[in-house]
Amino acid sequence: QKEVEQDPGPLSVPEGAIVSLNCTYSNSAFQYFMWYRQYSRKGPELLMYTYSSGNKEDGRFTAQVDKSSKYISLFIRDSQPSDSATYLCAMSGVTGGGNKLTFGTGTQLKVEL
Amino acid sequence: DTAVSQTPKYLVTQMGNDKSIKCEQNLGHDTMYWYKQDSKKFLKIMFSYNNKELIINETVPNRFSPKSPDKAHLNLHINSLELGDSAVYFCASSQANNEKLFFGSGTQLSVL
Repeated sequence: QKEVEQDPGPLSVPEGAIVSLNCTYSNSAFQYFMWYRQYSRKGPELLMYTYSSGNKEDGRFTAQVDKSSKYISLFIRDSQPSDSATYLCAMSGVTGGGNKLTFGTGTQLKVEL
Repeated sequence: DTAVSQTPKYLVTQMGNDKSIKCEQNLGHDTMYWYKQDSKKFLKIMFSYNNKELIINETVPNRFSPKSPDKAHLNLHINSLELGDSAVYFCASSQANNEKLFFGSGTQLSVL
């Protein structure tokens, strides 16, 4: 079993839909949780960063962490075609830089007109 | 004014050749990384360099060698390329001990 599991998709939704992307993990030591967005032929870019459990909102994006269930989510409201990308979750147990990050395999999202 | 830039963007080469990928960051970060992304989009750390300290992922073959002339540059040299080395290689940087990474656009390596 991988440390971080993520449904690869592809997930196809109509414009304006609410999108829910999820990751599950097995390592209870993880405390720092991130979502990266990767457009085709580009590098990942950090979208959301949260520490421990709870919610964080940034515009149309909400990150949610449930440590008791070892489950994190990214919600996208009013999805746009420009949101079409691969979304990678990442997490670490200690703040120690990119060496300590474990990535999910990414969910490919397509938002259609 | 690209933050993390790497060259070349595409690299097609024959098995057994030696090649290098260059990376530069202008963010003033202390730490730089090389990541490998396979065909299934799985990102895996290969190396990091923090203030002249090299941290190596033990699963990386010693045919791969990073070189950092200064904290703004981290190059990757690969000897005796194999078919299995075909992947996208990403350079990234961050402030010291910070997991908020800034990635370059990647180098697509194809070994024939």
